[in-house]
Amino acid sequence: DTEVTQTPKHLVMGMTNKKSLKCEQHMGHRAMYWYKQKAKKPPELMFVYSYEKLSINESVPSRFSPECPNSSLLNLHLHALQPEDSALYLCASSPEAGSNEQFFGPGTRLTVL
Amino acid sequence: AQSVTQLDSHVSVSEGTPVLLRCNYSSSYSPSLFWYVQHPNKGLQLLLKYTSAATLVKGINGFEAEFKKSETSFHLTKPSAHMSDAAEYFCVVTSTGFQKLVFGTGTRLLVSP
Repeated sequence: DTEVTQTPKHLVMGMTNKKSLKCEQHMGHRAMYWYKQKAKKPPELMFVYSYEKLSINESVPSRFSPECPNSSLLNLHLHALQPEDSALYLCASSPEAGSNEQFFGPGTRLTVL
Repeated sequence: AQSVTQLDSHVSVSEGTPVLLRCNYSSSYSPSLFWYVQHPNKGLQLLLKYTSAATLVKGINGFEAEFKKSETSFHLTKPSAHMSDAAEYFCVVTSTGFQKLVFGTGTRLLVSP
């Protein structure tokens, strides 16, 4: 299995909802990443996990809460989001946090009403 | 700090004509450089990467790029464009420590019949 999968593909939520995004890889990679991508912009790094521990948090608001339950799975818990948080959320993985190449999933399109 | 500059926000070509997408980089050390492609509402796919081996790098779908240290450039080329090449292309450099990818602002490639 050489891909990163993300669920759901699309998510619509209200500002008071709690939801989660899920990312999974079975390539044995030990680093996983969350990115946020607004329309017509490059992806912006949010979080980096290395060996299931959070190693980088790019000053992301606490309404975004990452979780890495095991080496194959990465979640992003969402609570009290704002409409400006609507974006494509991309997950990626790499063999190690210092590896050159990251493999991206297809993304979750999030709309906050 | 490492950075990349994509010199064109949009490039338009006709099907069957050559493609040139320009990228200049800034790095205090020998960088790793990548080109990623993103089709509409999709994740990012790696086209090719340079990691200090051969300066001419061949990638998928007929794309190639040449690392020119003297010009600090890493331009992406393809001899003959296909309609399916229409997408957003990102030039990327690794940050110090390699944990982060630093993205250019992207170039949208338009291919007309």
